Amino acid sequence: DAKTTQPNSMESNEEEPVHLPCNHSTISGTDYIHWYRQLPSQGPEYVIHGLTSNVNNRMASLAIAEDRKSSTLILHRATLRDAAVYYCILKETSGSRLTFGEGTQLTVNP
Amino acid sequence: ETGVTQTPRHLVMGMTNKKSLKCEQHLGHNAMYWYKQSAKKPLELMFVYNFKEQTENNSVPSRFSPECPNSSHLFLHLHTLQPEDSALYLCASSQVGGGGYTEAFFGQGTRLTVV
Repeated sequence: DAKTTQPNSMESNEEEPVHLPCNHSTISGTDYIHWYRQLPSQGPEYVIHGLTSNVNNRMASLAIAEDRKSSTLILHRATLRDAAVYYCILKETSGSRLTFGEGTQLTVNP
Repeated sequence: ETGVTQTPRHLVMGMTNKKSLKCEQHLGHNAMYWYKQSAKKPLELMFVYNFKEQTENNSVPSRFSPECPNSSHLFLHLHTLQPEDSALYLCASSQVGGGGYTEAFFGQGTRLTVV
């Protein structure tokens, strides 16, 4: 599995945007970029995914670099409920497995 | 509510006990997974089942025995565990194949303590 690199932790203030970076320099052409997050005492939950183009959904936006070697998850207005560990994961088009790294612990300050 | 239900939520067992973890998904998915999350460590994939058949076993010790009687149910049978097996055990499901994409849905996990 291609590896991703994320900062161990980040902090944000409530109602401000948050940009969570992820490096994946060994990404292959068939790898999708997925983001999951894990709130305290919960299982991980899906946030967003993309291949080449930027993506938006009700939870977040995903900005993908033109060379696909990095991506950024954008939370437009952080809330206290967004405090979680955010995982950036590469997954093959046809593969079923998700391989989790250590993720980024996001702290949101009131 | 994610559509994936795990029971029990908490379990304390002795090293000589036998217990089972249960997972049920109500999403119509064809793949199910067991993950282990130890303190301060990333989630580790343990087993993968596609269409009730085990397709992946990531060198998991034989004291962990999975069972998938149908596409909606997944069990993890536990026997003669060690204290270092104490962890959060997470079940997930997804739809694989068919050309489309669905994300994985996780249960809330079973917090296992081995004493």
